[in-house]
Amino acid sequence: GAGVSQSPSNKVTEKGKDVELRCDPISGHTALYWYRQRLGQGLEFLIYFQGNSAPDKSGLPSDRFSAERTGESVSTLTIQRTQQEDSAVYLCASSRAYPRQGQETQYFGPGTRLLVL
Amino acid sequence: SQQGEEDPQALSIQEGENATMNCSYKTSINNLQWYRQNSGRGLVHLILIRSNEREKHSGRLRVTLDTSKKSSSLLITASRAADTASYFCATVETSGSRLTFGEGTQLTVNP
Repeated sequence: GAGVSQSPSNKVTEKGKDVELRCDPISGHTALYWYRQRLGQGLEFLIYFQGNSAPDKSGLPSDRFSAERTGESVSTLTIQRTQQEDSAVYLCASSRAYPRQGQETQYFGPGTRLLVL
Repeated sequence: SQQGEEDPQALSIQEGENATMNCSYKTSINNLQWYRQNSGRGLVHLILIRSNEREKHSGRLRVTLDTSKKSSSLLITASRAADTASYFCATVETSGSRLTFGEGTQLTVNP
């Protein structure tokens, strides 16, 4: 059906609060990725899921960041005790299958723009 | 650290001209991909070139890959104002499957 969707589009929060960002991948896509993009910079890999397991969490910047995924469906990225340096656009992508050597095209959502005051 | 580095960081041209963007990387790769991003939002996959390929075309796009120099270029011919966007290269290392992005080139096409 439709492409990858993310919510909310924009989120403004106060330093120290927790936030949850949601990603709905394309139906049938088994792989799901989270990236962070700071203003004027490229994308930083955070984590990817194959189904509901996360084989690679090495990009998560600190233990304040966590993510989970329900089956091959929705994923949530949670940032606890937000800091101002967490301000960025958080992008989610999905692909059809486990990316054997990156051959599968990733389809990106529009992102969530997070601002921590 | 970023695997890919794009050059130039910003490019401004007139409609109808060609735009060339370059990308350099550090490690051995399985493939290199180019993405486009409008207004800091979602990325759109443009083209993938494998390490055993030297050139690939898609419409007005031409991508080259030189693995000996660890570099790639993206050429957009006959540019249009609608091509205005940020363009990113992303690499997949031979040892893994993660996409590693460069910092992008901001292309402005003036009507």
